[in-house]
Amino acid sequence: GNSVTQMEGPVTLSEEAFLTINCTYTATGYPSLFWYVQYPGEGLQLLLKATKADDKGSNKGFEATYRKETTSFHLEKGSVQVSDSAVYFCALSDSGGGADGLTFGKGTHLIIQP
Amino acid sequence: NAGVTQTPKFRVLKTGQSMTLLCAQDMNHEYMYWYRQDPGMGLRLIHYSVGEGTTAKGEVPDGYNVSRLKKQNFLLGLESAAPSQTSVYFCASTRQGFTEAFFGQGTRLTVV
Repeated sequence: GNSVTQMEGPVTLSEEAFLTINCTYTATGYPSLFWYVQYPGEGLQLLLKATKADDKGSNKGFEATYRKETTSFHLEKGSVQVSDSAVYFCALSDSGGGADGLTFGKGTHLIIQP
Repeated sequence: NAGVTQTPKFRVLKTGQSMTLLCAQDMNHEYMYWYRQDPGMGLRLIHYSVGEGTTAKGEVPDGYNVSRLKKQNFLLGLESAAPSQTSVYFCASTRQGFTEAFFGQGTRLTVV
């Protein structure tokens, strides 16, 4: 079956530090890959996505590149802010049309200190 | 534009009681999902629906039932609540082709 493995936190960084959150996956076929973010007390919001190998998703200064050869989709940001504190989920969808939903990693709690 | 709306937002149940969680979306999406979120477990799919009148089991369906009588609504039922069903429940929807899933704000359920 499908699975997503991501580093578990909490990850604590100082403001303006470089961020990497690792994500690797196992899937049949050719999945689409996503990063979702959950701010305290809220639902999940799509942060970025990539639908095929070598695609780079980007949004709000975050980037992730779909690496088929290493089955990875690591999230990076060059300079984090306190407002980036949240839980980040890596996820995949491998079905045609996404009918049977997303497979999530366990989430990484990111804490940015001023 | 409300997006995905879940009711209620909080609920405390006694073991053995029943309840229904309502999810409503106003984006005319074909697909709808119910997930539960538990500490250290990420989100796990309970049930899903690919269209009005259709439902299917996800990863953790036991103890739950669902119905989708109208395209915009997806109901999650607990017939006899158990403490193991204490969790945060999220509803999501997406249109066919799956470019982005939209999530509700969540329902925090405690079973005592």
